[in-house]
Amino acid sequence: AQTVTQSQPEMSVQEAETVTLSCTYDTSESNYYLFWYKQPPSRQMILVIRQEAYKQQNATENRFSVNFQKAAKSFSLKISDSQLGDTAMYFCAFMGMGFGNEKLTFGTGTRLTIIP
Amino acid sequence: DAGITQSPRHKVTETGTPVTLRCHQTENHRYMYWYRQDPGHGLRLIHYSYGVKDTDKGEVSDGYSVSRSKTEDFLLTLESATSSQTSVYFCAIKFSEVYNEQFFGPGTRLTVL
Repeated sequence: AQTVTQSQPEMSVQEAETVTLSCTYDTSESNYYLFWYKQPPSRQMILVIRQEAYKQQNATENRFSVNFQKAAKSFSLKISDSQLGDTAMYFCAFMGMGFGNEKLTFGTGTRLTIIP
Repeated sequence: DAGITQSPRHKVTETGTPVTLRCHQTENHRYMYWYRQDPGHGLRLIHYSYGVKDTDKGEVSDGYSVSRSKTEDFLLTLESATSSQTSVYFCAIKFSEVYNEQFFGPGTRLTVL
């Protein structure tokens, strides 16, 4: 079974600074997907970014980018120019490929606070 | 929000009573999921469905059953609710068959007294 570990329960950063959230995972599969989800105080789960394991290029979505290290099984999220609206819980998630594997395994989350 | 609604949004019930949570989607997606969220655990998969009448268990399925008689509706039933089932329940759909992205409903907060 896959496991996802987020070792930083809480982080805080000044507005406009850059912050990196860590995630490691364990799997024996060679092809899979990795995701970061954001959960603001509204409780809504929002997809931030997706990475396919077969792609070497790191995914980027505006101010959000990832550092995907397949050999190290590491998938960190970098938030640049942080904004107050980035305050949220952030969850790293893993999904395998193929029938029967289309389900997400989540880490326990990192609570990020952006300080004005 | 990918057209996903959950009902009820909040529910308080007593131990031993049956409870059914409903997830409704408007876009005909094949895959639907039920997760629960508890402090210190993130989200954990309860059951999922890959088509009408096709369901499978997740990692925390004990005490829960599901049904999917129509593409748009996925029901989660607690046959006899226990206090350990107090949680926030999220429904999700697999939005993209290519990229496997899942989009989530707004959640249901269930309290079992």
